[in-house]
Amino acid sequence: GQQVMQIPQYQHVQEGEDFTTYCNSSTTLSNIQWYKQRPGGHPVFLIQLVKSGEVKKQKRLTFQFGEAKKNSSLHITATQTTDVGTYFCAGTNAGKSTFGDGTTLTVKP
Amino acid sequence: DAGVIQSPRHEVTEMGQEVTLRCKPISGHDYLFWYRQTMMRGLELLIYFNNNVPIDDSGMPEDRFSAKMPNASFSTLKIQPSEPRDSAVYFCASSSGRVSPLHFGNGTRLTVT
Repeated sequence: GQQVMQIPQYQHVQEGEDFTTYCNSSTTLSNIQWYKQRPGGHPVFLIQLVKSGEVKKQKRLTFQFGEAKKNSSLHITATQTTDVGTYFCAGTNAGKSTFGDGTTLTVKP
Repeated sequence: DAGVIQSPRHEVTEMGQEVTLRCKPISGHDYLFWYRQTMMRGLELLIYFNNNVPIDDSGMPEDRFSAKMPNASFSTLKIQPSEPRDSAVYFCASSSGRVSPLHFGNGTRLTVT
């Protein structure tokens, strides 16, 4: 079946440092979504990427979809303490979405 | 828009008891999903409905689990009998399309002792 892998599992950064999480799929995806889950909270939708090579930005967050539509990344520039949480990707193939295991980000002030 | 509403927020029960989790999706969303989240297994899709009809229940772990959606504004996930390994956070989510963004509820934290 479809597998979606995320790395790293955990990332600890100093406030102001950059952060990147990577998502890799075993199959070609029709789209990929990114979610953020704060500690004790629920996943909240951030963005959806559909096109090959697509790049989208939301303030300090940059999302990319690979040319082969099998991988994606989320990059945060100059992290802030409000960025803490777990970032999940969810890849869709043949109408079925699969979540990665997430990358948990902690930010030291 | 009140978002997806789940109840209860927390449930503590003893092994063997029946547990019923409830969900009210966002009005107008045709898809409803039940997920289970644990440290070991991450976010797992249990079942999803389209227009109140169960479409894919391949993620339901065992016959002890059942889900219903009697109308467009209400769904239940039932575990009978419950076991300690069912302890997890159960999320309900709704969306306007099969691959549209998911709107999650606050979840129900279930503890089975």
